[in-house]
Amino acid sequence: GAVVSQHPSRVICKSGTSVKIECRSLDFQATTMFWYRQFPKQSLMLMATSNEGSKATYEQGVEKDKFLINHASLTLSTLTVTSAHPEDSSFYICSARVIQNTGELFFGEGSRLTVL
Amino acid sequence: KQEVTQIPAALSVPEGENLVLNCSFTDSAIYNLQWFRQDPGKGLTSLLLIQSSQREQTSGRLNASLDKSSGRSTLYIAASQPGDSATYLCAVTGANSKLTFGKGITLSVRP
Repeated sequence: GAVVSQHPSRVICKSGTSVKIECRSLDFQATTMFWYRQFPKQSLMLMATSNEGSKATYEQGVEKDKFLINHASLTLSTLTVTSAHPEDSSFYICSARVIQNTGELFFGEGSRLTVL
Repeated sequence: KQEVTQIPAALSVPEGENLVLNCSFTDSAIYNLQWFRQDPGKGLTSLLLIQSSQREQTSGRLNASLDKSSGRSTLYIAASQPGDSATYLCAVTGANSKLTFGKGITLSVRP
């Protein structure tokens, strides 16, 4: 299957700082990428849909200014958690669909964010 | 609003047993259904994708079925192994192209 790479896999930061997480499609182009958040023993919650060359679409309740998404190319989307607080600590996972695919989603390895 | 349910939340079986994991969804207007595997602290690995027009898909010891009209899917694992221990999630893609996940079933296969 297609490969989606996320970096960093783990990050620890101080409260008030910003953290950037990268999501790359390694062997395919993705016009659309999705960012999810997962709390312990919970399912994945869709945060936003990242669209190449245009603004991201955020789900209800997700702060746009808090979670900045940029999809500057067909292989890279970034999520920046701005002014991070301890409650932002979570597991963030991105996914992407292969262009002209039947809709199968491929996921990155996830990024564990811990805000002290 | 689509809701995906996976019951039970956890399952423990002895090695070698054949088992079935269930998934149900409330809105039958779906494009496809995917089964994923998630190991602790890791991302998701796609196991099987069933398009809305299909009834089942097979990959190795895994077989997934889809009954769209009744809003149900099952993942059948044959001859389970300790390495199959993980959380299994099902997710459906709706008309808005968004994926809705169940909470997953944590499977433990005892040696």
